[in-house]
Amino acid sequence: QVQLQESGPGLGKPSQTLSLTCTVSGASISSGTNYWSWIRQHPGKGLEWIGYIHYGGNTRYNPSLKSRVTISVDTSKNQFSLRLSSVTAADTAMYYCARVKDGDYVDYWGQGTLVTVSS
Amino acid sequence: QLVLTQSPSASASLGASVKLTCTLSSGHSTYAIAWHHQQPGKGPRYLMKLYNDGSHSKGDGIPDRFSGSSSGAERYLTISSLQSEDEADYYCQTWGTGIVVFGGGTKLTVL
Repeated sequence: QVQLQESGPGLGKPSQTLSLTCTVSGASISSGTNYWSWIRQHPGKGLEWIGYIHYGGNTRYNPSLKSRVTISVDTSKNQFSLRLSSVTAADTAMYYCARVKDGDYVDYWGQGTLVTVSS
Repeated sequence: QLVLTQSPSASASLGASVKLTCTLSSGHSTYAIAWHHQQPGKGPRYLMKLYNDGSHSKGDGIPDRFSGSSSGAERYLTISSLQSEDEADYYCQTWGTGIVVFGGGTKLTVL
């Protein structure tokens, strides 16, 4: 059973960089054609794709966030990470990590971690 | 532009059936999608992948009450024998080259 678990600070200040890590168990992050993704959900709103990465290093980002987002992978720890720079209150959201099967559809989700940006 | 459109809300009675709709944007009518649901206070869960011919493959442990079908640019999720735990937000999701897209979601109320 594939499981994903987000971790990272739940609180950040405006203009800082948000950093989150997703630890994957039950599957190797460095095998196959799967991509590993970050998705967020603003309070009471729908799902917003942030971006994804393949273990080989290929990354794609949502154009609306591209200038502020970096997703990286650490195959030795079976983890991948999100960095979102210059955060504002508008980045307050639940952040989910997920597996994107063959780069197509999300088939496994983490339980999510709430990040609040406030001074 | 690849866009998915869903009705904001739907309702149906306990034990009845409901059919939720996800509509692909013009020029993308052959795309496959995935359905996910999100129960209150929980993270999303993958339900199934649905192809344009109506064939679908479900996620682990998804009951037979959940089924999918397609017609043109419309993708459907049918839930039969509605239970209280089916009250949730339902999202469709698709993909293009280097992009993942979600619909706005449908909030299903079980009466």
